[in-house]
Amino acid sequence: QQQVKQSPQSLIVQKGGISIINCAYENTAFDYFPWYQQFPGKGPALLIAIRPDVSEKKEGRFTISFNKSAKQFSLHIMDSQPGDSATYFCAASLPGANNLFFGTGTRLTVIP
Amino acid sequence: NAGVTQTPKFRVLKTGQSMTLLCAQDMNHEYMYWYRQDPGMGLRLIHYSVGEGTTAKGEVPDGYNVSRLKKQNFLLGLESAAPSQTSVYFCASSYSGDYGYTFGSGTRLTVV
Repeated sequence: QQQVKQSPQSLIVQKGGISIINCAYENTAFDYFPWYQQFPGKGPALLIAIRPDVSEKKEGRFTISFNKSAKQFSLHIMDSQPGDSATYFCAASLPGANNLFFGTGTRLTVIP
Repeated sequence: NAGVTQTPKFRVLKTGQSMTLLCAQDMNHEYMYWYRQDPGMGLRLIHYSVGEGTTAKGEVPDGYNVSRLKKQNFLLGLESAAPSQTSVYFCASSYSGDYGYTFGSGTRLTVV
């Protein structure tokens, strides 16, 4: 059973556009929601993370929007660039937990 | 500053053979993890360790064993490889269970 459901599976965006990736979860005890970025042949790298006490976190062109009541969170990439082309994973963890539950990933392609 | 180093990067095994994947981190992290990544399934936790001398099962532990004799090293063993274990294996480490993970660059294993 997938603890965190991610969509879409793939996404194609024009350069300069906004990329939006969504994740949903059922366990309301989750309290840490990171996003990871993975380039081909590399391991995932932490991009940005949020805790449920805030509704939005922004770092440069990357923003996490968090909707606690809907049990959803999303990654927005503003002014998308070809260099953003990668696979993005959302994840969640429980308080004091020893592991992250990952979504299935979204392959983003930004075309010039 | 190497971060997390995985060896080997590629390996082809015959069914029934055994092998050990090595993970080394130089960040003095307590927590270490082994994940496998398969298309459409995201990252699934195999085993993890919360400190030297400790190990615990993750989501998909069957067919694998691990050891953490030294804080900086986490070994993943396959005693009798099966084609279903064909995957990309990632090691990760973190300061705590719900903090940012640092991933290695992965080991691509093919079992024929």
